[in-house]
Amino acid sequence: QSVLTQPPSVSGAPGQTVTISCTGSSSNIGAGYDVHWYQQLPGKAPKVLIYGTRNRPSGVPDRFSGSKSGTSASLAIAGLQAEDEADYHCQSYDRSLSGSQVFGGGTKLTVL
Amino acid sequence: QVHLVQSGTEVKKPGASVRVSCTASGYIFTDYYIHWVRQAPGQGLEWMGWISPDSGHTNYAQKFQGRVTMTRDTSLATAYMELTNLRSDDTAIYYCARPTDYLNWFGPWGQGTRVTVSS
Repeated sequence: QSVLTQPPSVSGAPGQTVTISCTGSSSNIGAGYDVHWYQQLPGKAPKVLIYGTRNRPSGVPDRFSGSKSGTSASLAIAGLQAEDEADYHCQSYDRSLSGSQVFGGGTKLTVL
Repeated sequence: QVHLVQSGTEVKKPGASVRVSCTASGYIFTDYYIHWVRQAPGQGLEWMGWISPDSGHTNYAQKFQGRVTMTRDTSLATAYMELTNLRSDDTAIYYCARPTDYLNWFGPWGQGTRVTVSS
């Protein structure tokens, strides 16, 4: 059972916008800690998409955006493309777990 | 360019131990912690802990305390993760990852090491 909760799967048609949620608690996201998002292609290591809740590393298209409200964070992917089909993971820090990083269970995005 | 290169696939029997290595290049090894993250088949990512290559200090996730040991060899720019008393549910891909800044988001990742625990 992951500390952060993500939907197991989401889907959308090319060109659409999809949103993936990441729900935590008052000891992690709700305590103000940043959220990071990773994209994982099959058989590959994760790659960061969003860091510090809403920042994109260089090279990540601006179709990807992050936000946070209360105890939840969201990753939005606009203008969905076939190559966006992947697993997406959120990460944060949890102050109740003595210096622990925590992850969500991952969300499989299917482009219809 | 920063690279983390991990050791190869391991197959172990229940009750055995496994040690995975992670060799860093392209930066000063002692300047950044190394974290270990695992991913069981079809599952999400699970954080295991970190080691400071500078001091050797470690911080383990509560779930793994007593079974995991993280060490480093600064002369080889290599971090190690040893997991003992392996069970079938330890079957996973084990990754090392390096935080990019104080926010602890992981930029460079190792390629992953597949560990299979089976009798």
